[in-house]
This record gives sequence, C-alpha cells and structure tokens, in this order.
Amino acid sequence: SQKIEQNSEALNIQEGKTATLTCNYTNYSPAYLQWYRQDPGRGPVFLLLIRENEKEKRKERLKVTFDTTLKQSLFHITASQPADSATYLCALDDYGQNFVFGPGTRLSVLP
Amino acid sequence: EPEVTQTPSHQVTQMGQEVILRCVPISNHLYFYWYRQILGQKVEFLVSFYNNEISEKSEIFDDQFSVERPDGSNFTLKIRSTKLEDSAMYFCASSDQGRGTGANVLTFGAGSRLTVL
Repeated sequence: SQKIEQNSEALNIQEGKTATLTCNYTNYSPAYLQWYRQDPGRGPVFLLLIRENEKEKRKERLKVTFDTTLKQSLFHITASQPADSATYLCALDDYGQNFVFGPGTRLSVLP
Repeated sequence: EPEVTQTPSHQVTQMGQEVILRCVPISNHLYFYWYRQILGQKVEFLVSFYNNEISEKSEIFDDQFSVERPDGSNFTLKIRSTKLEDSAMYFCASSDQGRGTGANVLTFGAGSRLTVL
C-alpha cells in the first residue's frame, strides 16, 4: 500500500543546532516533493520544492535533499531558532495520484 | 502578498444540518482545492477543481459533499447533511499550475473549523 512517513511525531532541539527531518515514502513515484510549514490552527505554508532529477535545494537556512533510490527526502534547518518551532509537512505529487501530505513532524526549538 | 481567504473561521452546527464553507482563491489562480484536517491528524485531500468542474476527488468526498464556483471569485464546499465525523478544519487552497507540471505550489487559506454537535 502507499505510505508517506515522517521520522517522528515530535523533535526537540536546542537553539542554534541543525534540525533534520525525514520523509520516507513507499509505492509512490513522485514527480517532485514539497515541504510545508504549519503553525497551530493555520493552513500549511509552502517552503521548498525539489524535483525528482534534483539532489539538493537550498533557501536561506533551509536545505532539502531528495533521493529517489532510497525514496527519502531530508529537510534541514540550520542555526535553528525558537521561531522555527512548527509542524513540518512533506507532500508528494505523484504522476498518477493526488497531491498527498505526510503526517508531519512537530519541531520544537528550545532557547 | 496575495492570500486565500476563508469564511467562516469557525462554524458550529447540529448533526444533519447543511453547511457551506466559503473560499476566495488568489485572483489569477485557476486550480482550486479543498483539504481537511481532523484534530491531531494529517492534512487529507478532498477535491480539486479546474475549469468549472471537479478534476479529482478522494474517497472522503462522497455524495454528501459538493463544490461550486458560483461566480468569478468564490469557491464553496457544501456538506449536505453533517455527521459528527465531519468535525475538522477545512482548508481551501489554490494554485496557478496544474499537477505534474513541476510547479504546483499550493497556497492555503487559514481554514474553517467545523464543529458538528
């Protein structure tokens, strides 16, 4: 069956450290993968998109990697700040499926 | 910055009542979506809409649900006879690109919280 998993429900890290979030999928063939941020009671907000033929994408303190062999994407936030505390969602657009979201990882950056 | 607006922000209704949730997508976007998120659970796809018709829908989007674009700016989700399990946050989203184009970035509204008693 098709599945999207994100490494853990919650992740706590110290301010200034790098947060690494994982998204694994099975039985999908995504054309590209996206990462969104969701704050409590709000809608998801787009952060980064990476295509199947791209290995890595960066935007300011954010970095995304995409390994279609491992069926995995890693999302890194460097020099993390308490304001980065939120739930981070990965999302896939499979060629033959709808745009689907993972369950999310709730990141807490502790001062 | 253009945004997707949704109304109401919170609606409380009795089981069996009809509910209409409203959305104003970004003005130059052509693709519209409804997602829902039950408290503590993941964001789930309901339906996508393009060119005045449904392009895709999920198993959740049964006969109790319908969508409409009654004019050039609004996009509505109607739940005909609400059930307790319809209680959730409903998100509208829009995009200026279709799926599979490599640029289908969704802009979400703030959501409408539906509570069915």
